[in-house]
Amino acid sequence: DTEVTQTPKHLVMGMTNKKSLKCEQHMGHRAMYWYKQKAKKPPELMFVYSYEKLSINESVPSRFSPECPNSSLLNLHLHALQPEDSALYLCASSQGTAPINYGYTFGSGTRLTVV
Amino acid sequence: DAKTTQPPSMDCAEGRAANLPCNHSTISGNEYVYWYRQIHSQGPQYIIHGLKNNETNEMASLIITEDRKSSTLILPHATLRDTAVYYCIVRVSGSARQLTFGSGTQLTVLP
Repeated sequence: DTEVTQTPKHLVMGMTNKKSLKCEQHMGHRAMYWYKQKAKKPPELMFVYSYEKLSINESVPSRFSPECPNSSLLNLHLHALQPEDSALYLCASSQGTAPINYGYTFGSGTRLTVV
Repeated sequence: DAKTTQPPSMDCAEGRAANLPCNHSTISGNEYVYWYRQIHSQGPQYIIHGLKNNETNEMASLIITEDRKSSTLILPHATLRDTAVYYCIVRVSGSARQLTFGSGTQLTVLP
């Protein structure tokens, strides 16, 4: 299995809702990432997990709460989001936080719309 | 990590070679050049990377100038499915810093 699987592919939520995005990989990668991508912009790093511990938080608002229950799974819990949080949320993994070969493997993303 | 400069958009005829330039004039000796691409509404996909020698794989070739201040990604026979945004990224392999994407080049392959 050489894929990163993200669910759901599309999500519409209200500003008072609580929802979660899920990311899964079975490549034995020990680093996992969340990126946010607005339309026609490059992806921006949000969080990095290394060996199931949060190692980087790029000053992301607390309404985004990451969780790494095990080495294969990464969640992003969403609460009280704003319409400007609507974006494509990408998950990625790598063998470590300092990959030498082949870089990162990205999922196809979750298209989030906040109404 | 060194900053990169890429043209915002390029067109290429189907079947012809697509040559995508990237300027990284402030690159350090231990920084690698990575290329990723992102097809519309999909996640970025790794293409190739190199340090100073030219590299080739099943997807593309990477040509790095001798002074390492610029590089060119070559798709030898572009197809419509190669239409995507191509990102050139330079970073230190083995560093704790993460992938930082620039603006990229929108490549459109025309029939």
